[in-house]
Amino acid sequence: DGGITQSPKYLFRKEGQNVTLSCEQNLNHDAMYWYRQDPGQGLRLIYYSQIVNDFQKGDIAEGYSVSREKKESFPLTVTSAQKNPTAFYLCASSMGGAGGAGELFFGEGSRLTVL
Amino acid sequence: QKEVEQNSGPLSVPEGAIASLNCTYSDRGSQSFFWYRQYSGKSPELIMFIYSNGDKEDGRFTAQLNKASQYVSLLIRDSQPSDSATYLCAVKVNYQLIWGAGTKLIIKP
Repeated sequence: DGGITQSPKYLFRKEGQNVTLSCEQNLNHDAMYWYRQDPGQGLRLIYYSQIVNDFQKGDIAEGYSVSREKKESFPLTVTSAQKNPTAFYLCASSMGGAGGAGELFFGEGSRLTVL
Repeated sequence: QKEVEQNSGPLSVPEGAIASLNCTYSDRGSQSFFWYRQYSGKSPELIMFIYSNGDKEDGRFTAQLNKASQYVSLLIRDSQPSDSATYLCAVKVNYQLIWGAGTKLIIKP
């Protein structure tokens, strides 16, 4: 079955540590996205990529980094520079770039907690 | 600043009744409009999208768009307990999707 796989589902981090969240898709989608969701807030775009080896910052990129070495993969690293990283992280993909027609397919999410 | 506003709720609706969810947006250049459903602890999934003024129906769901008044709504007919979720409105402006914070809907049996 086609879909998006995020791992890990739950992650605990000590302050000062970098962590990497995995996102893999087998939908053959060109565009991939990372969003952050906090309680009571809408989804906020961290980074997006429309093509391999290219990515753009979203609204809240500070303290995060990404890579897009393969079409299928778009890992997100939460660095120690991100001061408030506890959140629900969602990876998504779409057929067209820049949100395509707006139909995003989401992974199951990764919940990061800083201890 | 582009904004999408939704009443956070919770909106409580009896089973079998019509649930009405509303969303307003600030950017008149908005091109297309989306409703996503998100169950607690899960990821969002697309329910409907609408581009043109008027109504669009899909089963028990109807999306309504009024560009002059800058609002989009989602009606759920014959509400079921399984419809209890948070409904996110997303608006596409140029190449960006702008998200509302969502309305929590509770369907009471």
